[in-house]
Amino acid sequence: NAGVTQTPKFQVLKTGQSMTLQCAQDMNHNSMYWYRQDPGMGLRLIYYSASEGTTDKGEVPNGYNVSRLNKREFSLRLESAAPSQTSVYFCASRYSRSTTGELFFGEGSRLTVL
Amino acid sequence: GNSVTQMEGPVTLSEEAFLTINCTYTATGYPSLFWYVQYPGEGLQLLLKATKADDKGSNKGFEATYRKETTSFHLEKGSVQVSDSAVYFCALGLREFNKFYFGSGTKLNVKP
Repeated sequence: NAGVTQTPKFQVLKTGQSMTLQCAQDMNHNSMYWYRQDPGMGLRLIYYSASEGTTDKGEVPNGYNVSRLNKREFSLRLESAAPSQTSVYFCASRYSRSTTGELFFGEGSRLTVL
Repeated sequence: GNSVTQMEGPVTLSEEAFLTINCTYTATGYPSLFWYVQYPGEGLQLLLKATKADDKGSNKGFEATYRKETTSFHLEKGSVQVSDSAVYFCALGLREFNKFYFGSGTKLNVKP
């Protein structure tokens, strides 16, 4: 079972470059999320998509854009990368109509901005 | 507002020691509570969960009880192993469930 798949796993960018992190899930989940993880700060929500066709800002959306391409895929784009965006990014998904509704995470994408 | 506070780490224990990681929360609604575990270089995995007050979640020898009166969800294990070394995150999810709130994580080191 693939679950939640993120690409790339590692990326190094220079300040001002752009890139897109890809995420796909094969669990037929309707909700998808992008988090960033920084030392001592836990996980902070960047954007989420409650269902196909909708996206909403989370706690730290500045500098990012997202696209919910279809039910399976949710991409995160950095238009002009900054060193403050150096982080580990996690995509997650869940079935929001479940009473428990836990999140399922990908393995993460480690991004370094020089 | 909604938030999760968990004890700062790292926590260092010897193998077979008793583990407690404290977690308290504030929530505007009726949350479900979760513990996630992150092994080095991996994503977060659900360890256990509880969806209402007085529920006890358990898995792999870990337990946590949803205490509404003290707004707590402390993680416990009677005898830790080296393989339990990881970062543990407490989280809450609200009924509308479009947002989760995570604690800052507690790193556990278990020495042989």
